[in-house]
Amino acid sequence: AQKITQTQPGMFVQEKEAVTLDCTYDTSDPSYGLFWYKQPSSGEMIFLIYQGSYDQQNATEGRYSLNFQKARKSANLVISASQLGDSAMYFCAMRVGSGGSNYKLTFGKGTLLTVNP
Amino acid sequence: EPEVTQTPSHQVTQMGQEVILRCVPISNHLYFYWYRQILGQKVEFLVSFYNNEISEKSEIFDDQFSVERPDGSNFTLKIRSTKLEDSAMYFCAISRDRDSPLHFGNGTRLTVT
Repeated sequence: AQKITQTQPGMFVQEKEAVTLDCTYDTSDPSYGLFWYKQPSSGEMIFLIYQGSYDQQNATEGRYSLNFQKARKSANLVISASQLGDSAMYFCAMRVGSGGSNYKLTFGKGTLLTVNP
Repeated sequence: EPEVTQTPSHQVTQMGQEVILRCVPISNHLYFYWYRQILGQKVEFLVSFYNNEISEKSEIFDDQFSVERPDGSNFTLKIRSTKLEDSAMYFCAISRDRDSPLHFGNGTRLTVT
């Protein structure tokens, strides 16, 4: 069975500083994908970044980067230069398998990030 | 602009009533999904839909639930007889193929009274 663990229920960061949101995963499948989504208070789910298990380099998307440590089974999200608009719930999610697999994502419980001015 | 639009944004219904939640992608996609999020809890997979048929469903997706694409564009989730515990945010999600990121709609907040 697949499992995603986010150990930080809440995090605080000062505006303009960087913050790391932790995510560890567990799967025996060698092929998997890791995702981060942002959920503001308005409720929508916004895709941020994706890392494939065979990707050689860590994924980056603007101010978001994914610190992928395969041996440790961790996929931490790093947000650089935090902005007030980054305050939201952040979910780590995993898809396992390839080929005939569907996009059944397993989500973590989320981390509520608060950016202080 | 979101890749998928969900309607309604909020629906209130009485226990035992049928509800239909709708999802409209703005462009061609092959894979469709429904997820739900009970308030304060994590997002849970309900069902995946490909080539006009269900490809996978979770334990949550029992006989009270059904999905279809009646006109080739709208993707609907029907709950035949709602229960109080069906109150949640329901997200439609789409992907162009198995290797593309999954994009979610803005969700429908269902409240069963």
